[in-house]
Amino acid sequence: EADIYQTPRYLVIGTGKKITLECSQTMGHDKMYWYQQDPGMELHLIHYSYGVNSTEKGDLSSESTVSRIRTEHFPLTLESARPSHTSQYLCASSALAGGPGSDTQYFGPGTRLTVL
Amino acid sequence: SQQGEEDPQALSIQEGENATMNCSYKTSINNLQWYRQNSGRGLVHLILIRSNEREKHSGRLRVTLDTSKKSSSLLITASRAADTASYFCATDANSGGGADGLTFGKGTHLIIQP
Repeated sequence: EADIYQTPRYLVIGTGKKITLECSQTMGHDKMYWYQQDPGMELHLIHYSYGVNSTEKGDLSSESTVSRIRTEHFPLTLESARPSHTSQYLCASSALAGGPGSDTQYFGPGTRLTVL
Repeated sequence: SQQGEEDPQALSIQEGENATMNCSYKTSINNLQWYRQNSGRGLVHLILIRSNEREKHSGRLRVTLDTSKKSSSLLITASRAADTASYFCATDANSGGGADGLTFGKGTHLIIQP
């Protein structure tokens, strides 16, 4: 079982609300990722980070933002949630490239977001 | 465009039978990985095969990689009901450009009937 946690697991919220999805890992990994996954579909990378104060946008454009103030913490924020944001959001982490096991990503359990 | 694409999209077999899933990709890769996802959960890493490897085993799992055909297969032998899950291939592209992270296919949904 990977030491990466996401809260909340489920969130149902109204349109226009600001939300923050939390992701924390205790493995000391430098790289962290956020993926978006619709039911039965593939994962799409929306944000990633190489380390503290590093944030990059992924392949899929997203209205969400991320921050990386601490190594272990990589929260995702939506300033104004809309029904089109309804999806599952998965957080992952990996060691820096070149390090042992750096190719493997460890995933959290995900947050299933529903915006009404 | 999507890098990895699994087939079949869904597979239902009897417990004890072998399950084979295939993955095709489009660009050069450093490695290809298979992940498993139980319903509503995160992904769990199963096995990684590097671009210079052709076959790899881990317990009941066997993965092959054919870089000339840009394809990989995952074989689960002697399937169990607990193997019921979605299986994704993911590639770590060798493109040198674009976003970091893995590129996932849509997955194969495997159902093992007792």
